[in-house]
Amino acid sequence: KQEVTQIPAALSVPEGENLVLNCSFTDSAIYNLQWFRQDPGKGLTSLLLIQSSQREQTSGRLNASLDKSSGRSTLYIAASQPGDSATYLCAVRSSGSRLTFGEGTQLTVNP
Amino acid sequence: DVKVTQSSRYLVKRTGEKVFLECVQDMDHENMFWYRQDPGLGLRLIYFSYDVKMKEKGDIPEGYSVSREKKERFSLILESASTNQTSMYLCASSPPRDRARGMNTEAFFGQGTRLTVV
Repeated sequence: KQEVTQIPAALSVPEGENLVLNCSFTDSAIYNLQWFRQDPGKGLTSLLLIQSSQREQTSGRLNASLDKSSGRSTLYIAASQPGDSATYLCAVRSSGSRLTFGEGTQLTVNP
Repeated sequence: DVKVTQSSRYLVKRTGEKVFLECVQDMDHENMFWYRQDPGLGLRLIYFSYDVKMKEKGDIPEGYSVSREKKERFSLILESASTNQTSMYLCASSPPRDRARGMNTEAFFGQGTRLTVV
């Protein structure tokens, strides 16, 4: 059974800092990996999708990498801003269309 | 833009009531999902549907049922609500795997329904 772990569970940084969020998964036979953002009390907003054949994806200040063989992905946020404060979730699709989620990293960017 | 809309942001229901949570997507996606999200447990899949009238149990289907009569609408039903079903419920949709390119495509979520059972 696929298991997804996100480290750290919470992170607090000063504005302007570059930061890395980590995601690991136990079964490397995945179709893709998706990073989401969730604001308190809200739904999930898709940030980046990496197919299993890809190594990384970029969108603005966000860069996600995937190392399928080692079961790891990272989300890099450059020049963090207070508006980046949210919970970040990674999810893997390892069979059919099911997504398995990590528990998320709660990020606080302090002005 | 893909839009997944859940019928209510907040609901308060009494124990034993039959509760319907509705989800509509406007992108003609085949796949639709219902998750619940609880502190310390993350997102857990309740049911999903890969086509009209088709459904599969997720990891925690007990106490729930679903209905998919039309492609755009996926309903979650709590047959007899209980306090342990107090949670945030999230609906999602996605296209099927892109068989031509061998790729799965992106999932999109609704805004969530915070259900409280008293």
